[in-house]
Amino acid sequence: GAVVSQHPSWVICKSGTSVKIECRSLDFQATTMFWYRQFPKQSLMLMATSNEGSKATYEQGVEKDKFLINHASLTLSTLTVTSAHPEDSSFYICSADGTSWQEPYEQYFGPGTRLTVT
Amino acid sequence: DQQVKQNSPSLSVQEGRISILNCDYTNSMFDYFLWYKKYPAEGPTFLISISSIKDKNEDGRFTVFLNKSAKHLSLHIVPSQPGDSAVYFCAASGDAGGTSYGKLTFGQGTILTVHP
Repeated sequence: GAVVSQHPSWVICKSGTSVKIECRSLDFQATTMFWYRQFPKQSLMLMATSNEGSKATYEQGVEKDKFLINHASLTLSTLTVTSAHPEDSSFYICSADGTSWQEPYEQYFGPGTRLTVT
Repeated sequence: DQQVKQNSPSLSVQEGRISILNCDYTNSMFDYFLWYKKYPAEGPTFLISISSIKDKNEDGRFTVFLNKSAKHLSLHIVPSQPGDSAVYFCAASGDAGGTSYGKLTFGQGTILTVHP
């Protein structure tokens, strides 16, 4: 149980185009999903918190107009990188809130999406 | 400002020996700590966690120790196995009543290599 999928797993796009990444909780409902970004050999940096049915909360320094987040249902959140540039190339990982009485802060992570902007 | 730090970028141990991974934090509001294991090009998978009201939590070969006064936690793996080779991240979360509830702050990760 507690499986999170991401699609696509790898995408190459041209500079100036937009890319949408999907994050799905397959066997549970998640009112909250998180989007992270990881540069090579660095930590996972939280970009935004996505809440079903409401606007996402962005971390300081993350451009909300560039990284559009939509959490339309309890099992799907999407991240759209708009007008992508080479510096947006990174590994994007989503997680779904698996809060339970057993593990109150546990998050279930997707496999990640490698974005390369040429 | 790196609130969660893993100062050792890598660790190499022999199979069967103990692996000790360390993590320090600066934010005294953190009250829940987790360890994740990650393989390249994959998302992290949860290993073990500890609440700030405890100083030790054990799950099979994995034990996490928390020293609140020193703002330090460690993950012990005994005995280490080659399959444990991966990147290990510690993460911290804030109090339930605050705005940081549910958010995880990750350390930089430590690459563990277990040699047969």
